[in-house]
Amino acid sequence: GAVVSQHPSWVICKSGTSVKIECRSLDFQATTMFWYRQFPKQSLMLMATSNEGSKATYEQGVEKDKFLINHASLTLSTLTVTSAHPEDSSFYICSARLLNYGYTFGSGTRLTVV
Amino acid sequence: DAKTTQPTSMDCAEGRAANLPCNHSTISGNEYVYWYRQIHSQGPQYIIHGLKNNETNEMASLIITEDRKSSTLILPHATLRDTAVYYCIVRVPLFGNEKLTFGTGTRLTIIP
Repeated sequence: GAVVSQHPSWVICKSGTSVKIECRSLDFQATTMFWYRQFPKQSLMLMATSNEGSKATYEQGVEKDKFLINHASLTLSTLTVTSAHPEDSSFYICSARLLNYGYTFGSGTRLTVV
Repeated sequence: DAKTTQPTSMDCAEGRAANLPCNHSTISGNEYVYWYRQIHSQGPQYIIHGLKNNETNEMASLIITEDRKSSTLILPHATLRDTAVYYCIVRVPLFGNEKLTFGTGTRLTIIP
């Protein structure tokens, strides 16, 4: 089946540094990927839609300069959390849509900013 | 997308059938019912979807009422590994680049 690989699965970084999270579609091409954020005991909140070869579309309230998204190929989208702060600590999940099939999700990245 | 209402939490004994309800009274004719689940600290997993007929796959069964205003996801023989948050989502079949929006879901706990 279609698999989305997300890396790293967890990361701890110092406040003020940047962290990059990768999302790869392993056996299919994904022109569109989605990035979600999930705080403890809450539902997934969509942050942005990543489009291959063009700018990402951000949801209202999400800072595009803080959460940089790059979708340079049909199999890779990256989310960079710039100048991370403790309030950015969260569970980040990527997803890709399969034509006429549905969505498949990565396993998530737990970010802890100390 | 139509709004859905799910109970916040449910318990089910291991080995019994788990029945998870979802109300979607404002569903329109071309909207499907999708179910996903999220096991703790993992990404969501697709379970099943349907339009108006009951559906069954290796994971679960989906029962949709005749008026389509509600549905029930059935896990026939629940195991401890079925403990997760279950999301019911109603939307038009996935074309283009439409985003998928999650509600609060039902936290299902399987009890030994």
